[in-house]
Amino acid sequence: DIVMTQSPDSLAVSLGERATINCKSSQSVLSRSNNKNYLAWYQQKPGQPPKLLVYWASARESGVPDRFSSSGSRTDFTLTISSLQAEDVAVYYCQQYYSIPWTFGQGTKVEIK
Amino acid sequence: EVQLLESGGGLVQPGGSLRLSCATSGFSFSRYAMSWVRQAPGKGLEWVSAISGSGDSTYYADSVKGRFTISRDNSKNTLNLQMNSLRAEDTALYYCAKDRGNGGGSVFDIWGQGTMVTVSS
Repeated sequence: DIVMTQSPDSLAVSLGERATINCKSSQSVLSRSNNKNYLAWYQQKPGQPPKLLVYWASARESGVPDRFSSSGSRTDFTLTISSLQAEDVAVYYCQQYYSIPWTFGQGTKVEIK
Repeated sequence: EVQLLESGGGLVQPGGSLRLSCATSGFSFSRYAMSWVRQAPGKGLEWVSAISGSGDSTYYADSVKGRFTISRDNSKNTLNLQMNSLRAEDTALYYCAKDRGNGGGSVFDIWGQGTMVTVSS
Protein backbone atom coordinates (compact mmCIF):
# COMPACT_ATOMS: atom_id res chain seq x y z
CA ASP A 1 0.00 0.00 0.00
CA ILE A 2 1.11 3.57 -0.64
CA VAL A 3 1.47 5.43 2.64
CA MET A 4 0.68 9.13 2.58
CA THR A 5 2.33 11.29 5.23
CA GLN A 6 1.36 14.90 5.78
CA SER A 7 3.25 17.59 7.64
CA PRO A 8 2.67 19.35 9.87
CA ASP A 9 -0.19 17.71 11.76
CA SER A 10 -1.49 21.18 12.56
CA LEU A 11 -0.60 24.79 11.95
CA ALA A 12 -1.86 28.18 13.03
CA VAL A 13 -1.62 31.04 10.57
CA SER A 14 -2.66 34.68 10.82
CA LEU A 15 -5.47 35.89 8.62
CA GLY A 16 -4.09 36.96 5.26
CA GLU A 17 -0.89 35.00 5.68
CA ARG A 18 0.29 31.96 3.73
CA ALA A 19 -0.39 28.40 4.87
CA THR A 20 1.64 25.51 3.46
CA ILE A 21 0.86 21.83 3.87
CA ASN A 22 3.15 19.05 2.71
CA CYS A 23 2.27 15.56 1.59
CA LYS A 24 4.74 12.78 0.93
CA SER A 25 3.94 9.42 -0.62
CA SER A 26 5.89 6.24 0.12
CA GLN A 27 6.26 5.63 -3.61
CA SER A 28 5.85 7.66 -6.76
CA VAL A 29 2.30 8.45 -7.86
CA LEU A 30 3.46 9.75 -11.25
CA SER A 31 2.21 7.71 -14.16
CA ARG A 32 4.73 7.23 -16.95
CA SER A 33 1.96 6.58 -19.45
CA ASN A 34 0.29 9.99 -19.16
CA ASN A 35 2.82 11.99 -17.09
CA LYS A 36 0.16 12.77 -14.49
CA ASN A 37 0.45 12.67 -10.72
CA TYR A 38 -2.44 10.76 -9.16
CA LEU A 39 -2.74 13.06 -6.16
CA ALA A 40 -5.78 14.91 -4.80
CA TRP A 41 -6.42 17.34 -1.97
CA TYR A 42 -9.58 17.67 0.13
CA GLN A 43 -10.83 20.15 2.68
CA GLN A 44 -13.03 19.02 5.56
CA LYS A 45 -14.73 21.55 7.78
CA PRO A 46 -16.17 20.49 11.16
CA GLY A 47 -19.36 18.49 10.82
CA GLN A 48 -19.14 18.38 7.03
CA PRO A 49 -18.03 15.79 4.49
CA PRO A 50 -14.76 16.36 2.66
CA LYS A 51 -14.70 18.69 -0.33
CA LEU A 52 -12.47 18.09 -3.34
CA LEU A 53 -10.04 20.97 -3.90
CA VAL A 54 -7.41 19.66 -6.31
CA TYR A 55 -6.86 16.62 -8.52
CA TRP A 56 -3.99 15.58 -10.83
CA ALA A 57 -1.80 17.26 -8.18
CA SER A 58 -2.40 20.76 -9.49
CA ALA A 59 -5.81 20.99 -11.21
CA ARG A 60 -8.17 23.10 -9.13
CA GLU A 61 -11.72 21.80 -8.91
CA SER A 62 -14.42 24.09 -10.29
CA GLY A 63 -15.46 26.75 -7.78
CA VAL A 64 -12.37 26.46 -5.61
CA PRO A 65 -10.86 29.90 -4.90
CA ASP A 66 -7.58 30.62 -6.62
CA ARG A 67 -5.88 31.28 -3.28
CA PHE A 68 -5.61 27.47 -3.14
CA SER A 69 -2.78 26.09 -5.22
CA SER A 70 -0.94 22.80 -5.32
CA SER A 71 2.35 21.64 -6.73
CA GLY A 72 4.76 18.75 -6.67
CA SER A 73 5.54 15.54 -8.45
CA ARG A 74 6.34 11.88 -7.85
CA THR A 75 6.47 11.66 -4.05
CA ASP A 76 6.42 15.22 -2.74
CA PHE A 77 3.49 17.61 -2.92
CA THR A 78 2.44 20.92 -1.40
CA LEU A 79 -0.90 22.62 -0.90
CA THR A 80 -0.67 26.36 -0.41
CA ILE A 81 -3.30 28.78 0.77
CA SER A 82 -1.85 32.09 -0.34
CA SER A 83 -3.89 34.33 1.94
CA LEU A 84 -5.70 32.52 4.73
CA GLN A 85 -9.34 33.42 5.24
CA ALA A 86 -11.50 32.59 8.25
CA GLU A 87 -13.53 30.15 6.16
CA ASP A 88 -10.40 28.13 5.39
CA VAL A 89 -10.25 26.75 8.94
CA ALA A 90 -10.48 23.01 8.32
CA VAL A 91 -8.61 19.75 8.14
CA TYR A 92 -6.88 19.13 4.82
CA TYR A 93 -6.18 15.67 3.42
CA CYS A 94 -4.09 14.47 0.51
CA GLN A 95 -5.07 11.27 -1.29
CA GLN A 96 -3.31 9.08 -3.81
CA TYR A 97 -5.35 7.39 -6.50
CA TYR A 98 -2.42 5.78 -8.32
CA SER A 99 -3.06 2.32 -6.93
CA ILE A 100 -5.64 0.48 -4.88
CA PRO A 101 -6.14 0.78 -1.99
CA TRP A 102 -6.67 4.52 -2.41
CA THR A 103 -5.04 6.05 0.65
CA PHE A 104 -5.25 9.34 2.47
CA GLY A 105 -2.80 11.29 4.55
CA GLN A 106 -3.55 11.61 8.24
CA GLY A 107 -4.78 15.18 7.83
CA THR A 108 -3.47 18.64 8.66
CA LYS A 109 -5.55 20.93 10.84
CA VAL A 110 -5.37 24.60 9.88
CA GLU A 111 -6.36 27.18 12.46
CA ILE A 112 -6.24 30.94 12.82
CA LYS A 113 -3.39 32.36 14.90
CA GLU B 1 -28.18 19.29 -8.23
CA VAL B 2 -26.10 16.21 -7.51
CA GLN B 3 -27.10 14.59 -4.22
CA LEU B 4 -26.02 11.53 -2.27
CA LEU B 5 -28.05 10.42 0.74
CA GLU B 6 -26.82 7.58 2.92
CA SER B 7 -29.00 5.50 5.21
CA GLY B 8 -28.93 2.28 7.19
CA GLY B 9 -26.46 3.11 9.92
CA GLY B 10 -27.05 2.30 13.56
CA LEU B 11 -25.90 0.41 16.62
CA VAL B 12 -25.01 -3.24 16.11
CA GLN B 13 -23.32 -5.86 18.28
CA PRO B 14 -19.93 -7.29 17.37
CA GLY B 15 -20.39 -10.07 14.84
CA GLY B 16 -23.60 -8.55 13.58
CA SER B 17 -24.60 -7.26 10.16
CA LEU B 18 -25.79 -4.01 8.68
CA ARG B 19 -26.70 -2.86 5.17
CA LEU B 20 -25.98 0.68 4.12
CA SER B 21 -27.60 2.38 1.16
CA CYS B 22 -26.86 5.54 -0.77
CA ALA B 23 -29.62 7.10 -2.83
CA THR B 24 -28.31 9.31 -5.59
CA SER B 25 -29.79 11.93 -7.90
CA GLY B 26 -28.77 14.65 -10.30
CA PHE B 27 -26.28 12.73 -12.44
CA SER B 28 -26.05 9.72 -14.75
CA PHE B 29 -25.42 7.19 -12.00
CA SER B 30 -24.39 4.27 -14.17
CA ARG B 31 -21.60 6.28 -15.80
CA TYR B 32 -19.61 6.70 -12.61
CA ALA B 33 -17.71 4.49 -10.24
CA MET B 34 -18.76 4.89 -6.63
CA SER B 35 -17.01 4.30 -3.33
CA TRP B 36 -17.57 4.05 0.40
CA VAL B 37 -15.14 5.98 2.58
CA ARG B 38 -15.27 5.88 6.37
CA GLN B 39 -14.09 8.08 9.17
CA ALA B 40 -13.77 6.80 12.71
CA PRO B 41 -14.69 9.34 15.41
CA GLY B 42 -12.00 12.03 15.57
CA LYS B 43 -9.86 10.23 12.99
CA GLY B 44 -8.92 10.54 9.35
CA LEU B 45 -10.39 9.17 6.13
CA GLU B 46 -10.18 5.53 5.10
CA TRP B 47 -11.30 4.25 1.71
CA VAL B 48 -13.38 1.09 2.16
CA SER B 49 -14.68 -0.16 -1.16
CA ALA B 50 -15.36 0.86 -4.76
CA ILE B 51 -17.49 -0.38 -7.63
CA SER B 52 -17.33 0.39 -11.33
CA GLY B 53 -20.18 2.10 -13.13
CA SER B 54 -21.48 -1.13 -14.58
CA GLY B 55 -21.04 -2.98 -11.31
CA ASP B 56 -18.81 -5.58 -12.95
CA SER B 57 -15.72 -4.66 -10.96
CA THR B 58 -15.44 -4.29 -7.21
CA TYR B 59 -12.54 -3.41 -4.95
CA TYR B 60 -12.00 -3.60 -1.20
CA ALA B 61 -9.60 -2.46 1.47
CA ASP B 62 -7.87 -5.39 3.14
CA SER B 63 -9.50 -4.41 6.45
CA VAL B 64 -12.97 -5.30 5.12
CA LYS B 65 -12.27 -7.88 2.41
CA GLY B 66 -14.36 -10.99 2.89
CA ARG B 67 -16.74 -9.24 5.31
CA PHE B 68 -18.18 -6.34 3.28
CA THR B 69 -19.86 -6.50 -0.13
CA ILE B 70 -20.45 -3.47 -2.32
CA SER B 71 -23.19 -3.47 -4.93
CA ARG B 72 -25.26 -1.07 -6.98
CA ASP B 73 -28.66 -0.95 -8.62
CA ASN B 74 -28.36 1.26 -11.67
CA SER B 75 -32.12 1.08 -12.29
CA LYS B 76 -32.69 2.70 -8.90
CA ASN B 77 -29.56 4.90 -8.81
CA THR B 78 -28.60 3.30 -5.52
CA LEU B 79 -25.31 2.16 -3.99
CA ASN B 80 -25.19 -0.44 -1.24
CA LEU B 81 -22.75 -1.83 1.29
CA GLN B 82 -23.51 -5.11 3.03
CA MET B 83 -21.44 -5.34 6.18
CA ASN B 84 -21.11 -8.69 7.96
CA SER B 85 -19.04 -9.90 10.91
CA LEU B 86 -18.79 -6.36 12.20
CA ARG B 87 -16.04 -5.45 14.62
CA ALA B 88 -15.55 -2.58 17.05
CA GLU B 89 -12.95 -1.11 14.69
CA ASP B 90 -15.63 -0.75 12.00
CA THR B 91 -17.25 1.98 14.08
CA ALA B 92 -17.22 5.07 11.88
CA LEU B 93 -19.16 7.56 9.82
CA TYR B 94 -19.60 5.95 6.42
CA TYR B 95 -19.63 8.25 3.42
CA CYS B 96 -20.89 7.46 -0.04
CA ALA B 97 -18.66 9.18 -2.60
CA LYS B 98 -18.94 9.70 -6.34
CA ASP B 99 -15.92 9.28 -8.58
CA ARG B 100 -15.10 12.36 -10.59
CA GLY B 101 -14.75 10.23 -13.68
CA ASN B 102 -11.60 11.81 -15.05
CA GLY B 103 -10.01 8.47 -15.72
CA GLY B 104 -7.55 6.39 -13.79
CA GLY B 105 -8.10 5.94 -10.10
CA SER B 106 -10.82 7.39 -7.94
CA VAL B 107 -11.04 11.06 -7.06
CA PHE B 108 -14.16 11.84 -5.06
CA ASP B 109 -15.93 15.00 -6.21
CA ILE B 110 -19.28 14.54 -4.47
CA TRP B 111 -19.82 13.18 -0.96
CA GLY B 112 -22.90 12.40 1.06
CA GLN B 113 -23.37 13.55 4.64
CA GLY B 114 -22.60 10.08 5.96
CA THR B 115 -24.35 7.48 8.08
CA MET B 116 -22.97 6.47 11.47
CA VAL B 117 -22.22 2.83 12.26
CA THR B 118 -21.48 1.92 15.86
CA VAL B 119 -20.36 -1.59 16.73
CA SER B 120 -20.64 -2.21 20.44
CA SER B 121 -22.09 -4.66 22.91
